Amino acid sequence: EAGVTQFPSHSVIEKGQTVTLRCDPISGHDNLYWYRRVMGKEIKFLLHFVKESKQDESGMPNNRFLAERTGGTYSTLKVQPAELEDSGVYFCASSQGAGDEKLFFGSGTQLSVL
Amino acid sequence: AQKITQTQPGMFVQEKEAVTLDCTYDTSDPSYGLFWYKQPSSGEMIFLIYQGSYDQQNATEGRYSLNFQKARKSANLVISASQLGDSAMYFCAMREAYNAGNMLTFGGGTRLMVKP
Repeated sequence: EAGVTQFPSHSVIEKGQTVTLRCDPISGHDNLYWYRRVMGKEIKFLLHFVKESKQDESGMPNNRFLAERTGGTYSTLKVQPAELEDSGVYFCASSQGAGDEKLFFGSGTQLSVL
Repeated sequence: AQKITQTQPGMFVQEKEAVTLDCTYDTSDPSYGLFWYKQPSSGEMIFLIYQGSYDQQNATEGRYSLNFQKARKSANLVISASQLGDSAMYFCAMREAYNAGNMLTFGGGTRLMVKP
């Protein structure tokens, strides 16, 4: 069974450009999460989808970040326009139930904004 | 205040020895769960072990065990018989029951290096 996959694995862009990160959760997992780790800081929650609906987006830093989950399958996280402080590793995770003990993570996207 | 604290930014352990990675947490929620994840150099976060706040016994998963001391609010990870492949970042995380979903709060991580 395929795990959580994220694309791209690395992205280097200039300040002011747009970047779109993609996450494919494990098939059948209704719950999809985005987390990020900015250099030197803890991994922080961004948002949570249940199917195609945003359950909790309290962790989204500002309106430059837009997350979507088309048809309740894969999800995209768009940063527009990117700023230097957006650099970090963006993780996607999925679980079958919201209270499941296991949250399966992807390998992350390393975003560098220059 | 930090909800999850990992006081050891880096640690060395000799191969085949046991090692304890520290984690303390802070919550007023009576129902919560504690997690440990491993992040090898490849980048993915691998689930290792889970402990529920109401679990009577310490969780164990193969060579991993969680030393859960509720009164002290600590959830240390013990790795027995360390292997070279255990070299990685280790993250402690907590989920509090009032969260509707599965939002985890993470500690800063501990980098473990296993020496041959």
